[in-house]
Amino acid sequence: DSGVTQTPKHLITATGQRVTLRCSPRSGDLSVYWYQQSLDQGLQFLIQYYNGEERAKGNILERFSAQQFPDLHSELNLSSLELGDSALYFCASSVVWTSTDTQYFGPGTRLTVL
Amino acid sequence: GENVEQHPSTLSVQEGDSAVIKCTYSDSASNYFPWYKQELGKRPQLIIDIRSNVGEKKDQRIAVTLNKTAKHFSLHITETQPEDSAVYFCAASNPNFNKFYFGSGTKLNVKP
Repeated sequence: DSGVTQTPKHLITATGQRVTLRCSPRSGDLSVYWYQQSLDQGLQFLIQYYNGEERAKGNILERFSAQQFPDLHSELNLSSLELGDSALYFCASSVVWTSTDTQYFGPGTRLTVL
Repeated sequence: GENVEQHPSTLSVQEGDSAVIKCTYSDSASNYFPWYKQELGKRPQLIIDIRSNVGEKKDQRIAVTLNKTAKHFSLHITETQPEDSAVYFCAASNPNFNKFYFGSGTKLNVKP
């Protein structure tokens, strides 16, 4: 157990809908990262937050947005869902935001769009 | 940005043999190289990492080597066991971009 928690574990929804995925970092970690992993694919970096502010952006679609709250938990909002958005979504956390900071992954949320 | 290439994409070894997975990166500024193991449907778990001021690091049956000049790093697993079967991802972290760049993964199958 890495100490990073994610809810829900599974999510099934329909095309066009909007969902929110939640992540709580390890105690003491200030940085949260979001990744998307499609079937048999690698990890695609979406976005990073540090202490409430956006730090880095990856291949995140405009239909997706995220935020980090004062208690440091983060939410990833996915809207106008398409079939291709079906994937495992992981968040990871690290103590700060430096490039040599180890990231610890949560258990993931499996999103299925029907 | 950074580009990380990982080889091979699949690797099958007999139990007890060694396995080697190689990654190359493009930006010499990258300075942190973790390796993650991911079992089917589960989260990536850090198994070993190396920073750019070190050439080799070992942890029991697992070792990682880094060649900064050639810009490549490798994961070595000795005396493989069936429970080593998983997908392994390398990553490179670049201070200029403040994010991890992951390789495409290697599916390791250890046959009993």
